[in-house]
Amino acid sequence: DTAVSQTPKYLVTQMGNDKSIKCEQNLGHDTMYWYKQDSKKFLKIMFSYNNKELIINETVPNRFSPKSPDKAHLNLHINSLELGDSAVYFCASSWGLGPNTGELFFGEGSRLTVL
Amino acid sequence: SQQGEEDPQALSIQEGENATMNCSYKTSINNLQWYRQNSGRGLVHLILIRSNEREKHSGRLRVTLDTSKKSSSLLITASRAADTASYFCATGEIQGAQKLVFGQGTRLTINP
Repeated sequence: DTAVSQTPKYLVTQMGNDKSIKCEQNLGHDTMYWYKQDSKKFLKIMFSYNNKELIINETVPNRFSPKSPDKAHLNLHINSLELGDSAVYFCASSWGLGPNTGELFFGEGSRLTVL
Repeated sequence: SQQGEEDPQALSIQEGENATMNCSYKTSINNLQWYRQNSGRGLVHLILIRSNEREKHSGRLRVTLDTSKKSSSLLITASRAADTASYFCATGEIQGAQKLVFGQGTRLTINP
């Protein structure tokens, strides 16, 4: 069983569209994250949730809206997609309140291409 | 937000040789973690070293941490072709909400 699974793996869409990426973890972790990896492989945290509560909200455009229906799921909805949103989006999870407790477990990534 | 910087950005060595990657950071940390990313895949945790530790081993991996210099190194001994990947250091910051801040990684290529 995949510990952290995210769908879809690939997403190609036009500018201006709205899209969602879903993430589920079956590890029983309390905290989930969204990271964005750009074309230079730089990974930047976007959001984190602990037990469905938003903990971290980095400087991310309002077009990005995370939703955590329960502590095993964290989805990312993106409105009015722009060319600069093209990247690989990674979901991750960890125990406790965050990485001071231990390691992060990452999904395989969702590659978003905006045309 | 603060990030680590890996050095070198790319490293190419022969199979069997040792590979050393370095990471520098700027803020006080709770811990420092190393991750591996194979091409087109997610990140996989390798090792975590806490701020009160100086050295840690895991199999062929050896990590050192020097908090006075705000730097860490990852040594992979007796490298194998399967070690070809990008390696990232990430710091768990003390200030504010808990988050891991990643560097840009070192691209390691092991030549058979």
